[in-house]
Amino acid sequence: SQQGEEDPQALSIQEGENATMNCSYKTSINNLQWYRQNSGRGLVHLILIRSNEREKHSGRLRVTLDTSKKSSSLLITASRAADTASYFCATVYSGGGADGLTFGKGTHLIIQP
Amino acid sequence: DAGITQSPRHKVTETGTPVTLRCHQTENHRYMYWYRQDPGHGLRLIHYSYGVKDTDKGEVSDGYSVSRSKTEDFLLTLESATSSQTSVYFCAISERQDFGYTFGSGTRLTVV
Repeated sequence: SQQGEEDPQALSIQEGENATMNCSYKTSINNLQWYRQNSGRGLVHLILIRSNEREKHSGRLRVTLDTSKKSSSLLITASRAADTASYFCATVYSGGGADGLTFGKGTHLIIQP
Repeated sequence: DAGITQSPRHKVTETGTPVTLRCHQTENHRYMYWYRQDPGHGLRLIHYSYGVKDTDKGEVSDGYSVSRSKTEDFLLTLESATSSQTSVYFCAISERQDFGYTFGSGTRLTVV
């Protein structure tokens, strides 16, 4: 079953506004990652936050992690039309093993020009 | 995507026929993964590999097999394709299982 669940499933905002997406997960994790997928393309790794970190920044992206609530958020500031895509959170289970990432179903973000 | 290619990009096949999808990497990464992506389900892990000849099953492995005879190639085989296997298939690579993944561009498979 899916480990992560993103919220909302879809989000439409005006260009220049900030976009916030949330992710909840079920088990203890080693790290949590966010990916972007443009229509018809593969996923692109955006940012990784480890379980002992609370916040991480990369350019216009800000990710927070609350392990006590088993949740994460991705904030995209000053959105652009090119940010239109689906965004997925994915987790690495802390119990080890090589079976890697478990993905949520994604948030579809539309930036209106 | 740089360092990882999938082939073919598109394929239409008939029910009951075997199909093999190929993932090729030039990054010398140890870990390789096959996912399928379907509307309403997100990405689900089919099989993964943690080294040459070392593979294991993922969440939705029934009807699929894999092989990895070289570091750079990871093959996914549908033994006898069914309509439920119509999907977009993604390969991913990673240097370590807790690192970020690099994804291929995907193979859109239609089983008619």
